[in-house]
Amino acid sequence: QSALTQPPSASGSPGQSVTISCTGTSSDVGAYNFVSWYQHHPGKAPRLMIYEVTKGPSGVPDRFSGSKSGNTASLTVSGLQAEDEADYYCSSYAGSNTFVFGGGTKLTVL
Amino acid sequence: EGQLVESGGGLVQPGGSLRLSCAVSGFTFSNSWMNWVRQAPGKGLVWVSRIGPDGTVRSYADSVKGRFTISRDNAKNTLYLQLNSVRAEDTALFHCVRELSGGFGPWGQGTLVTVSS
Repeated sequence: QSALTQPPSASGSPGQSVTISCTGTSSDVGAYNFVSWYQHHPGKAPRLMIYEVTKGPSGVPDRFSGSKSGNTASLTVSGLQAEDEADYYCSSYAGSNTFVFGGGTKLTVL
Repeated sequence: EGQLVESGGGLVQPGGSLRLSCAVSGFTFSNSWMNWVRQAPGKGLVWVSRIGPDGTVRSYADSVKGRFTISRDNAKNTLYLQLNSVRAEDTALFHCVRELSGGFGPWGQGTLVTVSS
């Protein structure tokens, strides 16, 4: 149950696009299409932004999109806005009824 | 979307026990897979445990296996996590979350467990 690997930080200017990667193994990210992404503003409850690799829940802006290639999933935020500044976590089903999270990426809007 | 309210956290000595509760409303709890996720101070999210709708399927992270027990009462729309033999490294904010299609949401605000002598 090793954590998925995310870059500790990412940044972009308002209006730009930024992509956050999430690298796992052939036993988790590479094996299942149950990768999800969460936005977490400190002091608030985390928010589901993407599930099943590419799907956005109702209410999530379509500026947020997800993808996967092999053992690496990605979250892209287009048209960056100030309110997008937060911590972002990926998660994947890892088999045997278990899940694993990434270490988190702090997104800064410059 | 639903609401989840955790309770039961507090200060506990190393080796002690605590039972966390999560009261659920706004969605059909008895049909839902549920999980506990924790976040230690200044650290990231960590998956802890999962339980199926009727309670027969239960799973745990290696770090808590044999010490924590997840359970549910569908008549009371409540999820539980029994913490035994707690360690300093169990200090964290514990969230209960509904699982749907491999994603977690909505999330409760969490209940803080502090393990210290």
